[in-house]
Parts: sequence; structure tokens; C-alpha cells
Amino acid sequence: AQTVTQSQPEMSVQEAETVTLSCTYDTSESDYYLFWYKQPPSRQMILVIRQEAYKQQNATENRFSVNFQKAAKSFSLKISDSQLGDAAMYFCAYRRAPHDKIIFGKGTRLHILP
Amino acid sequence: DSGVTQTPKHLITATGQRVTLRCSPRSGDLSVYWYQQSLDQGLQFLIHYYNGEERAKGNILERFSAQQFPDLHSELNLSSLELGDSALYFCASSVDYQGGSGNTQYFGPGTRLTVL
Repeated sequence: AQTVTQSQPEMSVQEAETVTLSCTYDTSESDYYLFWYKQPPSRQMILVIRQEAYKQQNATENRFSVNFQKAAKSFSLKISDSQLGDAAMYFCAYRRAPHDKIIFGKGTRLHILP
Repeated sequence: DSGVTQTPKHLITATGQRVTLRCSPRSGDLSVYWYQQSLDQGLQFLIHYYNGEERAKGNILERFSAQQFPDLHSELNLSSLELGDSALYFCASSVDYQGGSGNTQYFGPGTRLTVL
């Protein structure tokens, strides 16, 4: 069974600094999809970034980028120039294929220090 | 705004009661997924509907049921409620095709259920 592990329950970063959130996953599939979702205090689940496993190039979305290491089954999220609005719970997530469920990690709570 | 709507936002009820949660997917999305977020279990997949048909079940209790209607909105019915059913219930929608954003699930704002 596929699993997603986030080993950092909480992290803190100074405003304007860079922080990296870790995620590892386990799967026997060769094609799949990985996501980072953000859940701010409003509890809304917001898509931050996605990565298709068949793409070697790491995805980027403005200040957010990933380091996708397929062989190591690692999918970390880097947030550059951290802002107060980045404070949230971040979930790493895996999806085997369209029409399949998402499997979530337990989340990393990110604090931004002013 | 993801384009997925859920009602109600909050629901407070008593043990043993029955409630219905409603979800409207994004325009054009045929798939609706239901998830439960609780403190001890995290985010868990409950059930998936595609174009009116049930496609997959996850850790959904027999007291829970769902359906997707011809206009593609979906309802999650929770009956004989217990204290442990208190949670945040999300629905998510997707177009569900290979590649690009087609494999992404977009989440609604959730319904917070409190069972007293």
C-alpha cells in the first residue's frame, strides 16, 4: 500500500528566509502524481504545487519549488522569501492515477516568525 | 476560491441523529471525492463518484452513504451519529484525465460537523 510520510510535525522560519519541508513516499508504481496542499487557519485545502512522476524537471510556482527525487522517493517543498501568509499546515500528497484517491501525509505545521 | 462549494459550513447535532452534507463540484468536473479530516486519523478518503456512479470506497462506515445526482452535485449522508464522527468533511472535484491539471483534485471549504 502506498504511504506518505512527513517527518517534521512542526517547523519555524524567519520571515523572508527559505525553508524546506520534507516528504517521503512509498509506492511500487512508476507513474503517479505528487502534490503539496496548504491548509491555513481557515481550514481550506489549497493546492500549492503538483509534480507528475514522469517529468524529470522539478515543478515551480513563484516562491514555491519542489525537489523531486524519484529513486529516493522523496518530494520536498522549498518556500523562498517566506511571508506571514505562508503560515499554515502543509500536506504532502500522493495520487496513483486519475480516478484514484489522494493519500495524505500527516502534515507539517509551518510557523513564520516576524 | 477553488470553485467547489459545500454546505453547510458548520453543523452541530446530537448523537444518534442523521445529517446530510452537500457538495457542488467545479463546472465541468465529473468526479467528486469525499474526505474526512479528524485530529487522530488525519485526512482519510471516504468515497468517490464519477458521473453519477460510485467508483471507489475507502474507510467509509456503513452508517455513512453518498450519492451523486444528475446535475453532478453530491450528498454525503451520515446517520446514527456518534461523538467520534465529529470532524471536518471535505469534498473535492476533478476532471480526472491524464496529464496536467486533469489529475488534480480541488477542495471545497469543508463542513465542520460537531456531534454533542
